[in-house]
Amino acid sequence: AQSVTQLDSHVSVSEGTPVLLRCNYSSSYSPSLFWYVQHPNKGLQLLLKYTSAATLVKGINGFEAEFKKSETSFHLTKPSAHMSDAAEYFCVVSDPKDSGGGADGLTFGKGTHLIIQP
Amino acid sequence: DAGVTQSPTHLIKTRGQQVTLRCSPISGHKSVSWYQQVLGQGPQFIFQYYEKEERGRGNFPDRFSARQFPNYSSELNVNALLLGDSALYLCASRYRQGDYGYTFGSGTRLTVV
Repeated sequence: AQSVTQLDSHVSVSEGTPVLLRCNYSSSYSPSLFWYVQHPNKGLQLLLKYTSAATLVKGINGFEAEFKKSETSFHLTKPSAHMSDAAEYFCVVSDPKDSGGGADGLTFGKGTHLIIQP
Repeated sequence: DAGVTQSPTHLIKTRGQQVTLRCSPISGHKSVSWYQQVLGQGPQFIFQYYEKEERGRGNFPDRFSARQFPNYSSELNVNALLLGDSALYLCASRYRQGDYGYTFGSGTRLTVV
């Protein structure tokens, strides 16, 4: 069975400083991994995805994540935080049975609330 | 192009009642999935439909059911509502199986009193 652990429920950084949101996963297969962002009263927006290509993945709004199989990690980073980055972030793993007709099987972490201090 | 649209945006129901939530996928998308997001938690997978057939089901009771129509829109039905069914219900669409381009709607906020 697959699972996702987001290591911090809340992260607070000052505007202009780096952001690090940590995610570890567990999967019996070669997973696909995603980061989604959710602003208050909004739906989920895809930031970036890893689907077994390059291990360093660049996403929207300056975010990037590195897939490290040996550490089973997929941490999200951004060099310089903006006030508009304040939101809930979800690390997500995809069920490999999905390729070709299986269940959807997106498994979400519990989320990390990112707070940006002025 | 319109994104994934869900209706209604907010809903208040009484325990024991039934509710129907609606989702219109992005034009051309044939796969629709439903998720339940309880306050303070990540979304939990409920159903996936592709080409009008159920392709996957999460760990939810039989009170939850869904269907997909020929135009690929979808409905989620919940019977005999419980207080614990209060949540944000999210719909996601994508073009086809194996496509990782999920697009989520803004959700329906269901409150059961």
